[in-house]
This record gives sequence, C-alpha cells and structure tokens, in this order.
Amino acid sequence: EVQLVESGGGLVQPGGSLRLSCAASGFTFSSYWMSWVRQAPGKGLEWVANIKQDGSEKYYVDSVKGRFTISRDNAKNSLYLQMNSLRAEDTAVYYCARVFVYSYGNSWFDPWGQGTLVTVSS
Amino acid sequence: SYELTQPPSVSVSPGQTASITCSGDKLGDKYACWYQQKPGQSPVLVIYQDSKRPSGIPERFSGSNSGNTATLTISGTQAMDEADYYCQAWDSSRGVFGTGTKVTVL
Repeated sequence: EVQLVESGGGLVQPGGSLRLSCAASGFTFSSYWMSWVRQAPGKGLEWVANIKQDGSEKYYVDSVKGRFTISRDNAKNSLYLQMNSLRAEDTAVYYCARVFVYSYGNSWFDPWGQGTLVTVSS
Repeated sequence: SYELTQPPSVSVSPGQTASITCSGDKLGDKYACWYQQKPGQSPVLVIYQDSKRPSGIPERFSGSNSGNTATLTISGTQAMDEADYYCQAWDSSRGVFGTGTKVTVL
C-alpha cells in the first residue's frame, strides 16, 4: 500500500524555523517527483513546492521563496521541508503528496499524506 | 500568476446532477484534475488528465476541459459526495489550485 506519513509540525514563534518530514512507503520513492501542499485553517489548498526525482530541480510558490527549502533523501525514502523565517500566514496543515507525471504539464497529486499542522504564533 | 476560479458553493438534490466549473485563461490548453476533500480528511484525486477516473472512483464522476473552463460533473449525486472540490493545473512547473467549491447535497 502506498503511504505517506508527515511529521514535524507544531507551534513555533514568528521568525522561527521548523523542519517537516514525510516518510514514504509502498512505492519506489526515487522514481517520483514529490510536492508539499498546504491548507490554512478554513481555507483552500495551496501548492508550496516540488522536487524532481534526483533533487536537481525544485520549484516554489513565490510567497515562500528564500524562506523554505524542499529536499529529499532517496536512501531513506523521505521528503523534507525546511521552513525558516516563519510568519503567521504560514500557519496551515502541510501535506506531502506524490506527483504522478505523465508528461510536461500533465501531472497530478496522488496520494496525499494525512498532513501535519504548523502553527506560527507568539 | 495563473489563477483558477471556482464557484464557492453548489447545491444539489440527491440523485440529481452537480456541475462544478473551474475557470482559467486558456485552461483548455492545459490538463486539469480534480480533488475531493471531506471534512477532516486529506484530498483525494477523483479526475486526472481532464476526464480520467482513478481506480476506485465511481463512474458518476466525470470531467471535461475546453476553452477557458474545466468542469467536474457528478451524476446521480449521493449524500457521500458532499465535500469540497478543488480543480488543479500546472503553470510553468508550478501547481495551481482552484479556489474550491463546497458541494452540499440537500
């Protein structure tokens, strides 16, 4: 069974840092792009970042560029999101998702993890 | 930046058809997919490549995409279909989600 399990969320003060992890199992992790998607309380979904299979390409939403870093360890079947200079508006449930790429621009998120809550507050 | 717009809410009677639109500039030139999210749960893929259903998704879910609009149609809507639905596409290797639509089965 394909499974994604996030961890690392919690309460952090504005300006602080947090590192999220996503443990993957049930598929060949190194063969897939991976993503982080977040959802603020009561709000919609927002794509955060993507990383290519070998980590050579990374993309970010403008609001987190320079503050967040996506990375992966294929030997450990794990995806990470290092979040620095956190702001109140980063408060959200963060989901890890596998990206199924059929061709350029023809991709989808499946499956999703259960999410981990990040709260940025003093 | 690229934007996808959905109606905030759609109401439907049990057994009837619900249509959810997703509007974006030349969206028909891209591929659209759709996700269902029930309260307290993670999103689930229900349509990919505009109109394809993943295994396990009921046939009552269908999709189309042309011009500036992608549409998710739920035929014979059931109470279990009550959820939030999000469209999604890609723009220069960056994911873009629609604003989301709450489907209420009355």
